[in-house]
Amino acid sequence: DIQMTQSPSTLSASVGDRVTITCRASQNISSWLAWYQQKPGKAPKLLIYKASSLESGVPSRFSGSGSGTEFTLTISSLQPDDFATYYCQQYNSYAWTFGQGTKVEIK
Amino acid sequence: QVTLKESGPALVKPTQTLTLTCTFSGFSLSTSAMRVSWIRQPPGKPLEWLARIDWDDDKFYSTSLKTRLTISKDTSKNQVVLTMTNMDPVDTATYYCARTLSGKLELRSYYYMDVWGKGTTVTVSS
Repeated sequence: DIQMTQSPSTLSASVGDRVTITCRASQNISSWLAWYQQKPGKAPKLLIYKASSLESGVPSRFSGSGSGTEFTLTISSLQPDDFATYYCQQYNSYAWTFGQGTKVEIK
Repeated sequence: QVTLKESGPALVKPTQTLTLTCTFSGFSLSTSAMRVSWIRQPPGKPLEWLARIDWDDDKFYSTSLKTRLTISKDTSKNQVVLTMTNMDPVDTATYYCARTLSGKLELRSYYYMDVWGKGTTVTVSS
């Protein structure tokens, strides 16, 4: 299976900060990557698909980039509603896999 | 409006078979390019993708769990059923189903799980 590794595991930031989360794949997955946001006790919410396509209704402060094996999720100006855990997910192979998650905490 | 809802037992005993049902509305699994996936999340742990079924009845499974999983659909009832055999306490988790869409780019398909159910919690204990 393709392994997805996110860094950092935890990130402390303040409202207004620019935040970047990295996701690395164990092999080339082209642009076949999605990003999800999950808050405690809630289902994940799709943010980005195809590495950089913003899901409808998602604020434009979220952006995704990358291809091949390295990808980033950027929040341009962190808002109070953005404190959550973020997961990347690859769908290059028939067996899809998620990263281990990055928790964005209040500094 | 697209909605999905997971249902099934809250408690199962070790070695038993778990049967979960995803009941959805707002789309049809008989429509081309529609798909439904199952994902789970043990307490305090990351998400784990389990299986997917497509409108044309193609099925895909997690490599590590494929011998224990079966996914099926009942288009007339707008339901997708996931069974998992030989349950173990490590299978304790919240189980989600999600509508899965796709598109084409350079002759390849990309996918995304755009609407999720709220999840159902399953505990495996004797």
